[in-house]
Amino acid sequence: LAKTTQPISMDSYEGQEVNITCSHNNIATNDYITWYQQFPSQGPRFIIQGYKTKVTNEVASLFIPADRKSSTLSLPRVSLSDTAVYYCLVGGTNFGNEKLTFGTGTRLTIIP
Amino acid sequence: GAGVSQTPSNKVTEKGKYVELRCDPISGHTALYWYRQSLGQGPEFLIYFQGTGAADDSGLPNDRFFAVRPEGSVSTLKIQRTERGDSAVYLCASSLIYGQMLHFGPGTRLLVL
Repeated sequence: LAKTTQPISMDSYEGQEVNITCSHNNIATNDYITWYQQFPSQGPRFIIQGYKTKVTNEVASLFIPADRKSSTLSLPRVSLSDTAVYYCLVGGTNFGNEKLTFGTGTRLTIIP
Repeated sequence: GAGVSQTPSNKVTEKGKYVELRCDPISGHTALYWYRQSLGQGPEFLIYFQGTGAADDSGLPNDRFFAVRPEGSVSTLKIQRTERGDSAVYLCASSLIYGQMLHFGPGTRLLVL
């Protein structure tokens, strides 16, 4: 199983760019990297998914180095509404003896 | 289109009682997942369905927990002889392809007194 390690918490001021890094040293060849956002009393919400290099969508960018042993979620110009818990999830499209396992996530607090 | 829905949103029961939690996935999503989340923790995997069959139920904590998805759409998580330690938020998710872009429901908050 590809376990993930993230910082427990981060603080940032409004308007800044925030980068959250996730370590996944045992990532398998078929594994994708997916990030979710969770607000209190809600289920996690998909943010972005990637396999290698860089992926960008309307809310975030995901940077994955060549060895894929880590990934960085980048949130541009954060606002108070970005305060949430962010989870990095590693898993493959070929189901085998693996589960989609969430870690404890990173609690991001945006300061006005 | 509608997202994943779960009912009830809250359930309070007494120790020893039986409960059923329902999940309506997004139409057309063949993959369905159940997770359990305790306060301050990440979601804990319980079971994964591909169509009607439970492809992986290794996350179910014990034989008091059981889940079904008889027609490959709606799923029900069943908990027998509930214990106080079962209190948590039970999350359901669905996706088109296993492991990609899971869509989560709002969860059912279960409290066992």
